[in-house]
Amino acid sequence: RKEVEQDPGPFNVPEGATVAFNCTYSNSASQSFFWYRQDCRKEPKLLMSVYSSGNEDGRFTAQLNRASQYISLLIRDSKLSDSATYLCVVKLGGGFKTIFGAGTRLFVKA
Amino acid sequence: NAGVTQTPKFQVLKTGQSMTLQCAQDMNHNSMYWYRQDPGMGLRLIYYSASEGTTDKGEVPNGYNVSRLNKREFSLRLESAAPSQTSVYFCASRGQKNYGYTFGSGTRLTVV
Repeated sequence: RKEVEQDPGPFNVPEGATVAFNCTYSNSASQSFFWYRQDCRKEPKLLMSVYSSGNEDGRFTAQLNRASQYISLLIRDSKLSDSATYLCVVKLGGGFKTIFGAGTRLFVKA
Repeated sequence: NAGVTQTPKFQVLKTGQSMTLQCAQDMNHNSMYWYRQDPGMGLRLIYYSASEGTTDKGEVPNGYNVSRLNKREFSLRLESAAPSQTSVYFCASRGQKNYGYTFGSGTRLTVV
């Protein structure tokens, strides 16, 4: 079993739609959680950190469920520019070990 | 701010050739990392440097060496390239342990 698992997609949604991605992690010692965005043939860029209480940044909402060991990303009112691959990233506590999910591809259509 | 700068952006090597990928950051970050990204897989850590003067192996270190030249620069060397090392390589830095990474723009390496 992979340490961080994501549905690879692709998710094809129309502009204005709401879309949600889930990510599960296997190591209960995981301490920090992030969502990154990666455009085609570009480097990953930090989208947002994920906090236990949940957090929101504009149209993006991230949630963490430690008991079930999953994190989620909700995108409201999708834009064409949201088309990208979204990477779930989990950092284990204490050291430098960080696990990247393989990513979920999103296509937003006009 | 340039952030993290990687060179070269593209490279084609023949099997057995050597090369060094260069990486520099101007954010005064302590830790620096080299990852590789292959289709269908998450980024995998090759080597990292927690601070100037230290380096440690990551998940897939075989076939690679690194040098933390100073706080700004962290290079990755392939001594004898193999086709299995065809990949996209990303350098990254991080300011504090629980913060996110800043990545360079990547090096697309093909070994034939």
